[in-house]
Amino acid sequence: EIVLTQSPGTLSLSPGERATLSCRASQSVYISLAWYQQKPGQAPRLLIFGASSRATGIPDRFSGSGSGTDFTLTISRLEPEDFAVYYCQQYYSWTFGQGTKVEIK
Amino acid sequence: QVQLQESGPGLVRPSGTLALTCAVSGDSVTGDNWWSWVRQPPGKGLEWIGEINHTGSINYNPSLRSRVTISVDMSKNQISLRVNSVTAADTAVYYCARSLVGARCFDFWGQGTLVTVSS
Repeated sequence: EIVLTQSPGTLSLSPGERATLSCRASQSVYISLAWYQQKPGQAPRLLIFGASSRATGIPDRFSGSGSGTDFTLTISRLEPEDFAVYYCQQYYSWTFGQGTKVEIK
Repeated sequence: QVQLQESGPGLVRPSGTLALTCAVSGDSVTGDNWWSWVRQPPGKGLEWIGEINHTGSINYNPSLRSRVTISVDMSKNQISLRVNSVTAADTAVYYCARSLVGARCFDFWGQGTLVTVSS
């Protein structure tokens, strides 16, 4: 099983700041990696697929990068609605990371 | 707009069978997409359960394969999930989701349904 490890577990930032989230795979998943945002009581929302392609309707302040085993989700300037939990998912064999919570500092 | 709606009992007895359906609107399960089930225990992360397409091809999470059955009903445009021999560890919000064509990540999700395993 491919294990995805996200870091940090919690990121405390202020609106307007830049957020950098990491996702590391235990073996190469090439670019078969997606990022989701989840708010309390809601289903996850697809942000990024193919490691760096934004899903339909996703603002350009969200960007993804990486390949192989190391991936990054960057939120260039945090908006109030961006405070949530973020999950990475590899769809080479379908596992999720444990999540990073982005909270208001 | 694609919409997915899960339904089924909210309470299942231990050792019983969990059975859910997902009604799809705004798209057809006979198309090129795969359709998945994903679950999330309260306060925890996401776990992929399995997927199916219109040809009946199915992939399961190896850790759940022995207890899970996923099926598709093209006449009703819905997919179904059955989990046998449930325990408290199967208590979770269960989501159905549509995969992107060409990338097996999930672009549309149902709102989820909480299933509690308890006597």
